[in-house]
Amino acid sequence: AQSVTQLGSHVSVSEGALVLLRCNYSSSVPPYLFWYVQYPNQGLQLLLKYTSAATLVKGINGFEAEFKNSETSFHLTKPSAHMSDAAEYFCAVSAGGKLIFGQGTELSVKP
Amino acid sequence: KAGVTQTPRYLIKTRGQQVTLSCSPISGHRSVSWYQQTPGQGLQFLFEYFSETQRNKGNFPGRFSGRQFSNSRSEMNVSTLELGDSALYLCASSVSVVDMNTEAFFGQGTRLTVV
Repeated sequence: AQSVTQLGSHVSVSEGALVLLRCNYSSSVPPYLFWYVQYPNQGLQLLLKYTSAATLVKGINGFEAEFKNSETSFHLTKPSAHMSDAAEYFCAVSAGGKLIFGQGTELSVKP
Repeated sequence: KAGVTQTPRYLIKTRGQQVTLSCSPISGHRSVSWYQQTPGQGLQFLFEYFSETQRNKGNFPGRFSGRQFSNSRSEMNVSTLELGDSALYLCASSVSVVDMNTEAFFGQGTRLTVV
């Protein structure tokens, strides 16, 4: 069964610092991978998705993720954190028409 | 283009009661999926409907059920509510099966509290 694992339930960075949120997947075939963001009391918003066209995927709000099959990883990065990036981030894989989510990583941004 | 609309946004129910949640997908989307989000279990898939047919079901008891109407609007029902059913219920709509070319758009959710 396909699954995703997010390392670190909480990540704290300073404003302007690099953001790195980790996601590893388990799949025997090329997976369909997504990153979503959730702000308090809101639904999920798609940040980016892996389409197999390119290993480096650019998303909204300056985020990007690199697909590394050799490491079964799809880590999310942003060069410079903003206060508005504080939220919970979910990595997900599509399997049989449903999304399987990681446990989420809460990102805090310190001024 | 309107997004995914879930009603109501907040709901308080008593143990043993039943509840119905509603989801209106994006116009043109025929697939509607439901997810339960809790602090302990995270985001878990409940079921997916496409053209009024349930195509996929998660590992939830039979108290959880759903349906989809001809206009793609969907409802989910939880009977005999338990305290553990307190959660944020999220609805997602997509054109078809979620894959690399098809993404799911989520509503803001319905916060259900069972007391």
